[in-house]
Amino acid sequence: QKEVEQDPGPLSVPEGAIVSLNCTYSNSAFQYFMWYRQYSRKGPELLMYTYSSGNKEDGRFTAQVDKSSKYISLFIRDSQPSDSATYLCASRRGSNYKLTFGKGTLLTVNP
Amino acid sequence: DAGVTQSPTHLIKTRGQQVTLRCSPKSGHDTVSWYQQALGQGPQFIFQYYEEEERQRGNFPDRFSGHQFPNYSSELNVNALLLGDSALYLCASSLETDFSGNTIYFGEGSWLTVV
Repeated sequence: QKEVEQDPGPLSVPEGAIVSLNCTYSNSAFQYFMWYRQYSRKGPELLMYTYSSGNKEDGRFTAQVDKSSKYISLFIRDSQPSDSATYLCASRRGSNYKLTFGKGTLLTVNP
Repeated sequence: DAGVTQSPTHLIKTRGQQVTLRCSPKSGHDTVSWYQQALGQGPQFIFQYYEEEERQRGNFPDRFSGHQFPNYSSELNVNALLLGDSALYLCASSLETDFSGNTIYFGEGSWLTVV
């Protein structure tokens, strides 16, 4: 079993839809949870960062972590064609410990 | 402020050859990590360098080695290349004393094709 599992999709939605992306993890030692966005043939860029359980909101993006169920979610409201990318969830233990990534979910937002 | 820069951006090598990839961290960052991202997969951690020493290592064979220089830049070396080494190699930099840990920046990567 991989430490971080993510449905690779692909996921296709119309512009303006609410998008829900999800991951599960197995390592109870994970404390930090991130979502990265990766455009085609580019490096990942950090979208959202959460420490331990809880919600975090930044504009149209909301990240949720439920440590009791080991579930990580990213919600995108009012999705735009520019949101079309691969979304990677990642987790880690300490502040400078390695990142463990899911496979990524390919999202396409259609105009 | 320059972000993480990597070179070369693309390269093609033959099986059995050796390759060196280079990374300059974001200004002010002192920790460099390398990841391998195969097509359709998430990045996999190779190793991390801090104070010119390998501090953590992922599940990669000894064919993968690295180095960090006094100016914090880093190299990734891969010997005896296999077809399966074809991937995007990503460098990530961070600051050791940033205990929030949310300032990990990735470069654009080096695309390696082994033929």
